[in-house]
Amino acid sequence: EPEVTQTPSHQVTQMGQEVILRCVPISNHLYFYWYRQILGQKVEFLVSFYNNEISEKSEIFDDQFSVERPDGSNFTLKIRSTKLEDSAMYFCASSEIFGGETQYFGPGTRLLVL
Amino acid sequence: DAKTTQPNSMESNEEEPVHLPCNHSTISGTDYIHWYRQLPSQGPEYVIHGLTSNVNNRMASLAIAEDRKSSTLILHRATLRDAAVYYCILKSYNTDKLIFGTGTRLQVFP
Repeated sequence: EPEVTQTPSHQVTQMGQEVILRCVPISNHLYFYWYRQILGQKVEFLVSFYNNEISEKSEIFDDQFSVERPDGSNFTLKIRSTKLEDSAMYFCASSEIFGGETQYFGPGTRLLVL
Repeated sequence: DAKTTQPNSMESNEEEPVHLPCNHSTISGTDYIHWYRQLPSQGPEYVIHGLTSNVNNRMASLAIAEDRKSSTLILHRATLRDAAVYYCILKSYNTDKLIFGTGTRLQVFP
């Protein structure tokens, strides 16, 4: 069964450094998402992306965050200058159609900012 | 965003049915009822969704009240692998974002 993959599984970085989290969505999917989950808290929507544009974003997704689909398979989340509070599990998801019944989530990248 | 209310936790024994309730009294006509679950140390996983009628799939059944103000996710025979946090989410057809609440943590005992 096709699945969403994410790399790296864990990333440790120093405050102020840039990080790029990578995702490979399911190949025929057109809609892509990033969510995050701070330890012990809810899963939070960050951004949705379609046709090389951001469709929707949350208040969390400020100017420090950006997303890109650099080629036909990868979908990336960049945090320009990490803060301690960016420490969280970041999940990528994809779906085949807008409003589709299923978003398929990846296993996540655990980001720790020191 | 429409709000859902779920019990914080529930327990079940293996091979018994489990009924996970969700209240969503402010549901609007365009809201679909989605259920996702999150196994320990994993990403969320789609379980089932519906609009008005009851739904069945290989994982579970979804029973929706006639007034749509509540729904119940039914796991027919719980297994140890079903131990997870179950999220009831309302999602309108015109948005793609999933708004997760705190969900119900299901424990399954052998």
